[in-house]
Formats: sequence, C-alpha cells, structure tokens
Amino acid sequence: TQLLEQSPQFLSIQEGENLTVYCNSSSVFSSLQWYRQEPGEGPVLLVTVVTGGEVKKLKRLTFQFGDARKDSSLHITAAQTGDTGLYLCAGTTDSWGKLQFGAGTQVVVTP
Amino acid sequence: NAGVTQTPKFQVLKTGQSMTLQCAQDMNHNSMYWYRQDPGMGLRLIYYSASEGTTDKGEVPNGYNVSRLNKREFSLRLESAAPSQTSVYFCASSLDRGGEKLFFGSGTQLSVL
Repeated sequence: TQLLEQSPQFLSIQEGENLTVYCNSSSVFSSLQWYRQEPGEGPVLLVTVVTGGEVKKLKRLTFQFGDARKDSSLHITAAQTGDTGLYLCAGTTDSWGKLQFGAGTQVVVTP
Repeated sequence: NAGVTQTPKFQVLKTGQSMTLQCAQDMNHNSMYWYRQDPGMGLRLIYYSASEGTTDKGEVPNGYNVSRLNKREFSLRLESAAPSQTSVYFCASSLDRGGEKLFFGSGTQLSVL
C-alpha cells in the first residue's frame, strides 16, 4: 500500500491544454516535494512545500499544499511537449524523516 | 559538474550471481541513498547513509548490503541476485540528514534472469 497516492496514473493531453495531477495521503507531512523524471534519467526536484495552504509557482507550474498537509496538487498551464515526463510526489513525516514517494503520474504532451 | 554518478548503466545477471553498484557524488553532501524503482510502485528506499561511517535500513533492505566507503562514495551489493531484484536502481544524495532536496543519479537498469 502506497503511503502517497497519485492520480491519475496516466494523462495524455495536447500542447496548450491545462492539466492537474494530485497527490493524496491519510498521513500528515512535514514537507512535500514534487519531482519530474524523464526516460533514462533520475528524478529532478521541482519544488518543496512545507506550510499548509502554501502555493508556489514555477513559470507555468503551480504547486499547492493542502491546508491539513495531507495532499498536494500540481497544475500545469498551457502544457508544452517539454513537460512530458513522470511526475512524482514525495513527503516526509515526523515519525520517519526519510522521503516516501508516490508511484507517479505519467504525463504525455503531444504537439 | 557531474553531481551523482552511477555505474554501470545496464547489467544482466543470472540468478545467484553477485554484483556491486557504484555511486559517487561530488557535491560534498553528507547523506546518500539507494532506491529501487518498479512500475506502479514508485521509488522505495533500500538503504541510506546519514553521514560518513553510518548506514541504516530503508523500506526494502532484504537481499542487499551497502558500504559507505568515504564521504563521496556509497555502494550497493547484491550477494546472490534473484529475479525479484530486477529493477532500476537509483543512487541519491542530499546535504542534510532529513532526506530533503535529493539529487539523483541516472540509474542502473538491472535484469536478473
């Protein structure tokens, strides 16, 4: 059983469309991160959120941490083909300080 | 600026064979980690080393051993490979012990036949 559940598992959209992926848990996280992974490469950190209700923007990407610090979302505006990749959320809890990862959402953006 | 370097990139083993995956980082990070990635399972922590000279088990340590050779290097050893260990292995490092802001290598694709 995954501590962090990501949805959807797979998302295919056309360039210019918007998309949102979700990361949910029954546990409270002290911090939550989003990574993007491209084929044949390791994950690369996009953002870290630590405060309940926090919203961070990274160009066309908007990250939100839930008020109760149990969930997060990633919204991409006007997706580009370069946004294609596996998006992973990962969180740390107070009881075990190591990162735990969700299974990821595979995003494919077609021209 | 190499970051985290893993070798080899690909490996095929027969059941029962042994091998060591090598990892080195050049960012002067204190903590290093080994993860495995399987479809639908996400990344699962095998072992980690919070600082030079220490190692601890993660979520899935059975069948693996590790060595923190020095501050830069952290190796993962499979003593007797099993088909269940077919996976993509990633080494990562972070500056602090909290596991935040991980920097990953490019992975090792391991197949055990």
